[in-house]
Amino acid sequence: ETGVTQSPTHLIKTRGQQVTLRCSSQSGHNTVSWYQQALGQGPQFIFQYYREEENGRGNFPPRFSGLQFPNYSSELNVNALELDDSALYLCASSRWAGSGNTIYFGEGSWLTVV
Amino acid sequence: AQTVTQSQPEMSVQEAETVTLSCTYDTSENNYYLFWYKQPPSRQMILVIRQEAYKQQNATENRFSVNFQKAAKSFSLKISDSQLGDTAMYFCAFMKHVRSTTNAGKSTFGDGTTLTVKP
Repeated sequence: ETGVTQSPTHLIKTRGQQVTLRCSSQSGHNTVSWYQQALGQGPQFIFQYYREEENGRGNFPPRFSGLQFPNYSSELNVNALELDDSALYLCASSRWAGSGNTIYFGEGSWLTVV
Repeated sequence: AQTVTQSQPEMSVQEAETVTLSCTYDTSENNYYLFWYKQPPSRQMILVIRQEAYKQQNATENRFSVNFQKAAKSFSLKISDSQLGDTAMYFCAFMKHVRSTTNAGKSTFGDGTTLTVKP
């Protein structure tokens, strides 16, 4: 139990639709990162939010966007869904992690795009 | 950019025996952190062990220990007295030390090693 909760756990969307995934970070954590994990691969960094601002992004197109709220919870939004967006989306929270603070992962949201 | 390579897609070990998982990485950074994560079928990523690059001493956590070779950019995980509950996918990950907040905490993962512990 890491204290990081994600919702929904599973969902199915149609190509072209939009999806919002949610994450509640562990208490005291002001940094939230999102990762995409395709089947059989390691997680890929999407972006990170620190104190409500995006402050780092991986190689993902602009249709992947996010928000962080004052309570440090976060959302990941994906527009114009494509079949390749089917993956496990992991949220990870930490205190400012530049000094290597432990990152805690949620159980993920399984997204299937048909 | 950093890369992490796990060259063993699958491994198996008999219960109570020892197994070593390999990981190599490439970076130009001098200060960084290395991690091993375990991901069981439940899919939750769990930290197994971490290593600070500036520490020469290899990290240990109970049955888990690492062999960190900074010059060779190698970071292997040894699991002693393997247990059935160790069956999972194991990921090696790299995080650079940053002074600013930008990308602080961004981790680069390998593609994982599926470990099966057999009774």
